[in-house]
Amino acid sequence: DVKVTQSSRYLVKRTGEKVFLECVQDMDHENMFWYRQDPGLGLRLIYFSYDVKMKEKGDIPEGYSVSREKKERFSLILESASTNQTSMYLCASTMQGAVGNTEAFFGQGTRLTVV
Amino acid sequence: AQSVTQPDIHITVSEGASLELRCNYSYGATPYLFWYVQSPGQGLQLLLKYFSGDTLVQGIKGFEAEFKRSQSSFNLRKPSVHWSDAAEYFCAVAPNTDKLIFGTGTRLQVFP
Repeated sequence: DVKVTQSSRYLVKRTGEKVFLECVQDMDHENMFWYRQDPGLGLRLIYFSYDVKMKEKGDIPEGYSVSREKKERFSLILESASTNQTSMYLCASTMQGAVGNTEAFFGQGTRLTVV
Repeated sequence: AQSVTQPDIHITVSEGASLELRCNYSYGATPYLFWYVQSPGQGLQLLLKYFSGDTLVQGIKGFEAEFKRSQSSFNLRKPSVHWSDAAEYFCAVAPNTDKLIFGTGTRLQVFP
């Protein structure tokens, strides 16, 4: 059974903290993505990666960075958490190639609250 | 810029009734089109996808969707809704890269 695993389901952090959200996939997928999901806004792409040590900005990268040191792991980093980063964060992965040819597999999400 | 519009934020139907969720996209060519479902507390699961060919595609859980090029639409349908279909539904497009662009979602509520 294919799987994308996010390390935490729920996180509560304080303003100004550095926050790490971890995502691991066991499908040997090349592409990995981080989205945030907010009511009424759907899913918005933060960053994505096509390969190890490669990253591309999505639509809302401000305040975030990412790390991909190994193929199976893609980390989202909030350098200095702020309350407007309170959200649901979803990780996804796909095989290489046009994403239209493949299915995106999603983790269960991490609900982050910044207080 | 590519975009996806789901005009209905919230839909309520009775169990056994038919369902249609609307999706319109904005893109110069025909993109790849998807419908995903998110059950409460879960990640997203692919319901169906359209690449080319037959404009009526069948998916899992009894869902189908029809691509209409003239209307730039990809509406999701189900002839008879079950209570377990209550969830949030997202339409998505993949223009020509390895990115998925999502709509804002439609929350479906099912009454017994």
